[in-house]
Amino acid sequence: GAGVSQSPSNKVTEKGKDVELRCDPISGHTALYWYRQSLGQGLEFLIYFQGNSAPDKSGLPSDRFSAERTGGSVSTLTIQRTQQEDSAVYLCASSLDLADYTQYFGPGTRLTVL
Amino acid sequence: AQSVAQPEDQVNVAEGNPLTVKCTYSVSGNPYLFWYVQYPNRGLQFLLKYITGDNLVKGSYGFEAEFNKSQTSFHLKKPSALVSDSALYFCAVRDSGAGSYQLTFGKGTKLSVIP
Repeated sequence: GAGVSQSPSNKVTEKGKDVELRCDPISGHTALYWYRQSLGQGLEFLIYFQGNSAPDKSGLPSDRFSAERTGGSVSTLTIQRTQQEDSAVYLCASSLDLADYTQYFGPGTRLTVL
Repeated sequence: AQSVAQPEDQVNVAEGNPLTVKCTYSVSGNPYLFWYVQYPNRGLQFLLKYITGDNLVKGSYGFEAEFNKSQTSFHLKKPSALVSDSALYFCAVRDSGAGSYQLTFGKGTKLSVIP
């Protein structure tokens, strides 16, 4: 079946602009996770959703980052006033629910802030 | 707090030889342990996991891993390496304690299988 999809695959933006990254989880998966992969920091957890609720926002690096999920499916990660240190690959994952241990990852969105 | 260490940035092995990629972890509760593989410009692909039960777990593509509680380790192994196994490997842990659903990853180990 279809896996996790993310769009765009690549995004180049100028410092100070806002960007939106999209994640479409595996059909039927109620839990959704965002991670960031960068050379300096490795893989970092950002936020997770169970349904439309995000009970743990502790990983968001600053208040410029926000995420939402509507309809229990697609999620959008928004970065406002982008900075060069935001350049990274943003990975989305989903699992059947929070009790399901295995997270399945999408191909990622490579964000470059000039 | 949970953490993972992958002590080797790179592992080189000859094709056909056994391979081991090392991982140690730290959690306050019981660990749920995972291995993922990443090919260039691709996302993470799930290989295997340990949740409970038999300490030796088998996964995709002939990989296996052994959970060792006393050494807090979860090393990834394969009896005979293939050139196509060359990739970046990540170990991850999740604490079984309630309310902890995020994965914490190691820094990754680059595996190069030499023909």
